[in-house]
Amino acid sequence: SQQGEEDPQALSIQEGENATMNCSYKTSINNLQWYRQNSGRGLVHLILIRSNEREKHSGRLRVTLDTSKKSSSLLITASRAADTASYFCATDKLNAGGTSYGKLTFGQGTILTVHP
Amino acid sequence: DARVTQTPRHKVTEMGQEVTMRCQPILGHNTVFWYRQTMMQGLELLAYFRNRAPLDDSGMPKDRFSAEMPDATLATLKIQPSEPRDSAVYFCASSVRLAKNIQYFGAGTRLSVL
Repeated sequence: SQQGEEDPQALSIQEGENATMNCSYKTSINNLQWYRQNSGRGLVHLILIRSNEREKHSGRLRVTLDTSKKSSSLLITASRAADTASYFCATDKLNAGGTSYGKLTFGQGTILTVHP
Repeated sequence: DARVTQTPRHKVTEMGQEVTMRCQPILGHNTVFWYRQTMMQGLELLAYFRNRAPLDDSGMPKDRFSAEMPDATLATLKIQPSEPRDSAVYFCASSVRLAKNIQYFGAGTRLSVL
């Protein structure tokens, strides 16, 4: 199966609620990144967490990383209608020599709908 | 306001025609990526370049697709001949190799092959 798999595939919540999305991967990584894509637009980088970090915050975003389980989660607190978008995790994989390939592997994404 | 610029934004063509998509990466970025996005396959990496040299084009159908970087400010993706199954949104992204590999995406080219 594909590296960087998100779940759920779709999430529908009310404004003000928290949204949690999960991502799993299979190989060693340099870092893990989350991107957002609004309908009809390109992806926009949200937040990056390095392999030696366990938690990162940016505004209403909180990312966790568990390298032993090869998983990450993205939490959006106090969601707004404007957060409606697709969210992708992307892994910066390490090669056999322990260095980055310099490219990202994207998951299939989670479609988040926030109802006003 | 630095951004990746892609042209055209939309392209409708007939099967068998040649299609050329262009990308201007952010000035100073030395790595350029081409992706294809469809509902069925999601976001697929087609090819990427570093310092204008192709590093990996294994995601690209070699018989009809070609990607080049004539200079540091222009990347092109060409499909010849185009087929209906090529209909998709094609994204270009750029990054700075030593800057955590954060990628900056263009707005995409929506291609429809009839």
